[in-house]
Amino acid sequence: DAGVIQSPRHEVTEMGQEVTLRCKPISGHNSLFWYRQTMMRGLELLIYFNNNVPIDDSGMPEDRFSAKMPNASFSTLKIQPSEPRDSAVYFCASSLGSGGDNEQFFGPGTRLTVL
Amino acid sequence: QKEVEQDPGPLSVPEGAIVSLNCTYSNSAFQYFMWYRQYSRKGPELLMYTYSSGNKEDGRFTAQVDKSSKYISLFIRDSQPSDSATYLCAPRRTNDYKLSFGAGTTVTVRA
Repeated sequence: DAGVIQSPRHEVTEMGQEVTLRCKPISGHNSLFWYRQTMMRGLELLIYFNNNVPIDDSGMPEDRFSAKMPNASFSTLKIQPSEPRDSAVYFCASSLGSGGDNEQFFGPGTRLTVL
Repeated sequence: QKEVEQDPGPLSVPEGAIVSLNCTYSNSAFQYFMWYRQYSRKGPELLMYTYSSGNKEDGRFTAQVDKSSKYISLFIRDSQPSDSATYLCAPRRTNDYKLSFGAGTTVTVRA
């Protein structure tokens, strides 16, 4: 299995631009998570999907952030407009189920720099 | 106060040393205690986990949980340069999808 696939791996953009991050979860996994990692705040859960439905978006920092999962094999995280404080590594993770001992498998991350 | 506090490190040890990593937590409902390892510029990966209190051993790694004191530990015996990474504790409640990640401790094992 290829694991969780994320694209792009690196993104450099200017303040005010729209940024779209993409994720392909592991086939058969019904839970998908978007995380953000920074030195100051560590690893933060942004949003959780179960069976393509957003269950918990309480971690999405502002209305500038939105996420979609149109089907079981694709999800996007969009930031519009982007700001320098959005600079971070964004991870997508998927799992076979949720809770208990279900392992979350992380992708390689997208390193976002907003100038 | 954060739900999970992790010793900040960083730690630098010589090859062959025992590495001790620790976390404390405040939520008594946590039942699963995960340890994730994150290599530089990579995503976290599950190293091992324990359920409730007790010890679990996996090769050179031992995870311990003391629920009475809300204390989580990971020990690495005979540490190797390949163990150089950031280690994150991540407890969760039984039926909860959320992992409460600690800040992570960066370990460097010197050859």
